[in-house]
Amino acid sequence: NAGVTQTPKFQVLKTGQSMTLQCAQDMNHNSMYWYRQDPGMGLRLIYYSASEGTTDKGEVPNGYNVSRLNKREFSLRLESAAPSQTSVYFCASSEAQDFYGYTFGSGTRLTVV
Amino acid sequence: LAKTTQPISMDSYEGQEVNITCSHNNIATNDYITWYQQFPSQGPRFIIQGYKTKVTNEVASLFIPADRKSSTLSLPRVSLSDTAVYYCLVLNDYKLSFGAGTTVTVRA
Repeated sequence: NAGVTQTPKFQVLKTGQSMTLQCAQDMNHNSMYWYRQDPGMGLRLIYYSASEGTTDKGEVPNGYNVSRLNKREFSLRLESAAPSQTSVYFCASSEAQDFYGYTFGSGTRLTVV
Repeated sequence: LAKTTQPISMDSYEGQEVNITCSHNNIATNDYITWYQQFPSQGPRFIIQGYKTKVTNEVASLFIPADRKSSTLSLPRVSLSDTAVYYCLVLNDYKLSFGAGTTVTVRA
């Protein structure tokens, strides 16, 4: 009963490097989301995928790209990391339109130096 | 999305009841009121949701007055393990955005 699994849990990047954050869910959910959490700012939506094959921008999409690889997996890519992208990243999933059923992963703590 | 306002922080002691009030003056007819809880180093988790009147589950109660312009999350007899950030969300759209929430600190 894994729920939402995120990898890696921790990562340090140098400015300009690229990386992909991985997310997988085993609940057969249609919708998946990527958030970032900065101190004192709650969680802000980066991108979401309402269903397999679709992706849309959230509140803070600049500097990120996403891929909905299949129904289970939703990855977040940083093409050229910047110190402003230092944050904790959370992936979540839910049934479409089921806003009380969000399940979050345990997060990826990313530091860009 | 309806804007919500909730206190930044609250302190309590073990065994007390904690009530967190959230204001959402421009709530729309189709909006639901949803609360999430987040422990340090973890993702948020759903606590409770309601549309009107009162909802209770094994974790909390949610009180919503008739005008629905505010709601109150009630945590009965808190323990140290209830120390967390609590988020109030009002929405009818599945794209959740979270504000800063209320940091509840329970002391012995």
